[in-house]
Amino acid sequence: EAGVAQSPRYKIIEKRQSVAFWCNPISGHATLYWYQQILGQGPKLLIQFQNNGVVDDSQLPKDRFSAERLKGVDSTLKIQPAKLEDSAVYLCASSLGAVETQYFGPGTRLLVL
Amino acid sequence: SQQGEEDPQALSIQEGENATMNCSYKTSINNLQWYRQNSGRGLVHLILIRSNEREKHSGRLRVTLDTSKKSSSLLITASRAADTASYFCATGAGGGNKLTFGTGTQLKVEL
Repeated sequence: EAGVAQSPRYKIIEKRQSVAFWCNPISGHATLYWYQQILGQGPKLLIQFQNNGVVDDSQLPKDRFSAERLKGVDSTLKIQPAKLEDSAVYLCASSLGAVETQYFGPGTRLLVL
Repeated sequence: SQQGEEDPQALSIQEGENATMNCSYKTSINNLQWYRQNSGRGLVHLILIRSNEREKHSGRLRVTLDTSKKSSSLLITASRAADTASYFCATGAGGGNKLTFGTGTQLKVEL
């Protein structure tokens, strides 16, 4: 069974630029999550989708971050404009349902200069 | 905010010894999960324990949950060098089972 796929794996941008990350969850998984992991910390949930609807986006900085999950499968996370403090690893995870095990992708490492 | 707090922050042991990591949390939970993260890589799910369970085993892993004390422990028996990684506890709460991760324990297993 293929795992959660993410791209790109690495991205370096200047502050105030835009960036987008892509995630393809495990086939059949209804729930998809985006996490931000700053160096030395645990992952922090940014947004949770159930199919193509948002369940929780309380910690998503909505002035600069946006995410969508069209057709309830793939998802994209966008940052516009980026700030230095956005430098982190962005992890995508999926699960069969909200109370089931979450499976994580390899992450996208973002460096904002 | 981080709900789960792992203790210790760092642990160094010899191969073959047991490693114990603790996690404390603050609010009611649906379940508690433990994850491993090797340097620069994604998280690997280790074990999930539900709020109505007290102990769970998986291979060399043993997890306990005490909801009255709002704490959990992860025991890795007969550790190996390959167990060197960061270990995170994550509590699932609410209708959407939102996961809140702790700050992690860095385990180093030396030969």
